[in-house]
Amino acid sequence: RKEVEQDPGPFNVPEGATVAFNCTYSNSASQSFFWYRQDCRKEPKLLMSVYSSGNEDGRFTAQLNRASQYISLLIRDSKLSDSATYLCVVNIDYNQGGKLIFGQGTELSVKP
Amino acid sequence: DTAVSQTPKYLVTQMGNDKSIKCEQNLGHDTMYWYKQDSKKFLKIMFSYNNKELIINETVPNRFSPKSPDKAHLNLHINSLELGDSAVYFCASSLWAAYNEQFFGPGTRLTVL
Repeated sequence: RKEVEQDPGPFNVPEGATVAFNCTYSNSASQSFFWYRQDCRKEPKLLMSVYSSGNEDGRFTAQLNRASQYISLLIRDSKLSDSATYLCVVNIDYNQGGKLIFGQGTELSVKP
Repeated sequence: DTAVSQTPKYLVTQMGNDKSIKCEQNLGHDTMYWYKQDSKKFLKIMFSYNNKELIINETVPNRFSPKSPDKAHLNLHINSLELGDSAVYFCASSLWAAYNEQFFGPGTRLTVL
């Protein structure tokens, strides 16, 4: 079983749509959680951290359910520029600092 | 004023050769990493260094040898390259702590023929 699992997609949505991505992780000792974004042939970049209480950044809302080991990302009012691969990321070894485990990524394509 | 830079960006070489990839960060971070992204897009950590000390050493063939001459640099040397080494290698840096954002370099696309 993969340590972090995501639906690879692709998700093809029209501009203005709301789209949700889900992710599950297997290690209950995971300490911190993130969504990174990776554009085609580019490096990953942090989109947002995910907190237990849930958090929002503009059109993006992230949720964490530790009991279910489940993370979600909601994108409202999708823009063409949101087209990218969204990577669910967990840190499973706090004592070793930043050891990130990446999901395979969910590909999003926003169409006009 | 690139934050994390890698050279070269592209590397095409023959099986059996030895090659190096260099990474530099100007963010003042104390921790640096090497990741490998294979053809299936999985990004996996290979090594991490904190203040020049090796912290994470995943199950990587010993043909791969990282070297950190100082906190701002982390190089990766690969001996006896194999076809399966073809991938994109990303360098990253951060401040030491699990919750800190990692900043990635642009990647080095290695093709072994």
